[in-house]
Amino acid sequence: AQSVAQPEDQVNVAEGNPLTVKCTYSVSGNPYLFWYVQYPNRGLQFLLKYITGDNLVKGSYGFEAEFNKSQTSFHLKKPSALVSDSALYFCAVRVAGGGSYIPTFGRGTSLIVHP
Amino acid sequence: DSGVTQTPKHLITATGQRVTLRCSPRSGDLSVYWYQQSLDQGLQFLIQYYNGEERAKGNILERFSAQQFPDLHSELNLSSLELGDSALYFCASSPGTGGEKLFFGSGTQLSVL
Repeated sequence: AQSVAQPEDQVNVAEGNPLTVKCTYSVSGNPYLFWYVQYPNRGLQFLLKYITGDNLVKGSYGFEAEFNKSQTSFHLKKPSALVSDSALYFCAVRVAGGGSYIPTFGRGTSLIVHP
Repeated sequence: DSGVTQTPKHLITATGQRVTLRCSPRSGDLSVYWYQQSLDQGLQFLIQYYNGEERAKGNILERFSAQQFPDLHSELNLSSLELGDSALYFCASSPGTGGEKLFFGSGTQLSVL
């Protein structure tokens, strides 16, 4: 089975401090990994993806994620958090099924940035 | 704005009823995905259509069905509704079947009373 886990339901960080939202995955073969963000009353928005190449991937709004194959992790990071970053963050891994590739999402991590 | 339109935004109905959720994908996107989001289950994949044909099926109940029409809009039909079907239902679209970047609608909040 292929899956993704987000071990923290909630992450609290002070504005201006670095943030990390954790994600680990389990997949057969090479993973395609993604981060999405969900603001209140909105759908998910794509932040970034890792397919191959450089282990550090840069995405929207100053976010980046580091792929670590040995630890099967894909943690989301940002050097300096903003209050406006407060949202629900989802990690996803692409799985194959019937000739199609369906992203499987983690349960989400609520990021709260305090002023 | 993702370009994906879902209607209605809110739906309140009773147990045993049937409802239809509608999704218009982003212009040019051929794939439509349906997901169910609930507090206890997280974001669960239901079903995917590509250019009118079913391509993948996830944790979709037999009481649920979907289709994609020639104009590429999609409908998710939920019947014999139960309290546990209350959830936020998302539609997402992408150009192909690679699943590399999905564009999500704002969702339909279904409340079954």
